[in-house]
Amino acid sequence: GAVVSQHPSRVICKSGTSVKIECRSLDFQATTMFWYRQFPKQSLMLMATSNEGSKATYEQGVEKDKFLINHASLTLSTLTVTSAHPEDSSFYICSARGAGPRTDTQYFGPGTRLTVL
Amino acid sequence: GEDVEQSLFLSVREGDSSVINCTYTDSSSTYLYWYKQEPGAGLQLLTYIFSNMDMKQDQRLTVLLNKKDKHLSLRIADTQTGDSAIYFCAETPYGQNFVFGPGTRLSVLP
Repeated sequence: GAVVSQHPSRVICKSGTSVKIECRSLDFQATTMFWYRQFPKQSLMLMATSNEGSKATYEQGVEKDKFLINHASLTLSTLTVTSAHPEDSSFYICSARGAGPRTDTQYFGPGTRLTVL
Repeated sequence: GEDVEQSLFLSVREGDSSVINCTYTDSSSTYLYWYKQEPGAGLQLLTYIFSNMDMKQDQRLTVLLNKKDKHLSLRIADTQTGDSAIYFCAETPYGQNFVFGPGTRLSVLP
């Protein structure tokens, strides 16, 4: 099946710093990438949707200036958490949807656990 | 709005069958999905079913869809300890992104 990677898998940072998370589709071209946030023991909450070469669409309540998304190519999207605070600590998961016979299917990355001290 | 519901917990004994249930609200969903999430990991696509199908079987997994009642179930035959995980049901309402259920935590007891 399709493979999506995320880097880093785990990051610990100090309050006020910025953290960049990369999401790559390894064996297909991702026309659309999604960023989700998952709090402990909860379901995934969609943060934003990005299409290659255009601005991301953010869900209601998600600050676009705080969570910067760049979908620079068909295989790479980045999420930058700017001026991170402890309440931003969470599990961030990306997913990718590409061209092909199953364009409705999203393939998920392994997730990045962010801990802000 | 769209809503997907699942029971939060299920415990079964190793070797028994597990049945995880899901109800959804949007009948326009073309595909319905089951994802598995192991501790500390991302989501793994287990299986999906097209909305005009009633049943899909894939090795130990059987998906049943009752479109009239908007009810989806996932049956895992001969459940093993490696099946312990959280299982998410998801629908894709027409023109919209995935809507996930809260997840069912499956515990497999020896």
